[in-house]
Amino acid sequence: EVQLVQSGAEVKKPGESLKISCKGSGYSFTSYWIGWVRQMPGKGLEWMGIIYPGDSDTRYSPSFQGQVTISADKSISTAYLQWSSLKASDTAMYYCARLVPPRNAFDIWGQGTMVTVSS
Amino acid sequence: QSVLTQPPSVSGAPGQRVTISCTGSSSNIGAGYEVHWYQQRPGTAPKLLIYGNSNRPSGVPDRFSGSKSGTSASLALTGLQAEDEADYYCQSYDSSLSYSKVFGGGTKVTVL
Repeated sequence: EVQLVQSGAEVKKPGESLKISCKGSGYSFTSYWIGWVRQMPGKGLEWMGIIYPGDSDTRYSPSFQGQVTISADKSISTAYLQWSSLKASDTAMYYCARLVPPRNAFDIWGQGTMVTVSS
Repeated sequence: QSVLTQPPSVSGAPGQRVTISCTGSSSNIGAGYEVHWYQQRPGTAPKLLIYGNSNRPSGVPDRFSGSKSGTSASLALTGLQAEDEADYYCQSYDSSLSYSKVFGGGTKVTVL
């Protein structure tokens, strides 16, 4: 079964760092782009960026460039999203999703990781 | 403010047909980029519903259909069922935003 499994919910304080993960299985992880999508409470979906695990080529949405870092470790089929200094406004659900060519739609989604930033 | 504009909500009685519009511009839908649609039921991750403007992934009922014309796209739900109550999002590319993937603001479908 093709699936993406994300790490569990996190509760952090402002200023702390965080790295969440997304592990792929059931397919060739290095052959598909993985994207990250933010959903703030009660709001819509926002595309953050994508990474190609085969060579770690990464693209960011202008809205998130410099705010987060996307990376991947192909040896363990895992993509990451990290923050160096969290803000309360980073409180949201974060989804990873696989981009399937050639139409480049997100066909497989992780279950989501809820990140809560509060003092 | 989303690059792709969707109505906040639509509603219909069971068995009826509803449509959701997704309006873009010459830098995204109007430039020929394809539109995809996702369904998100409460408390769950989004699910791909339509890809490449009008194609259904395996397992998606043919009650769902997509179309595109000019700078807009539409998702039609026919024979509305209670399980269709969810949020629906369109998605495309935008060449004015470093070729970013962009989502519409989402539309809440309510089954009366």
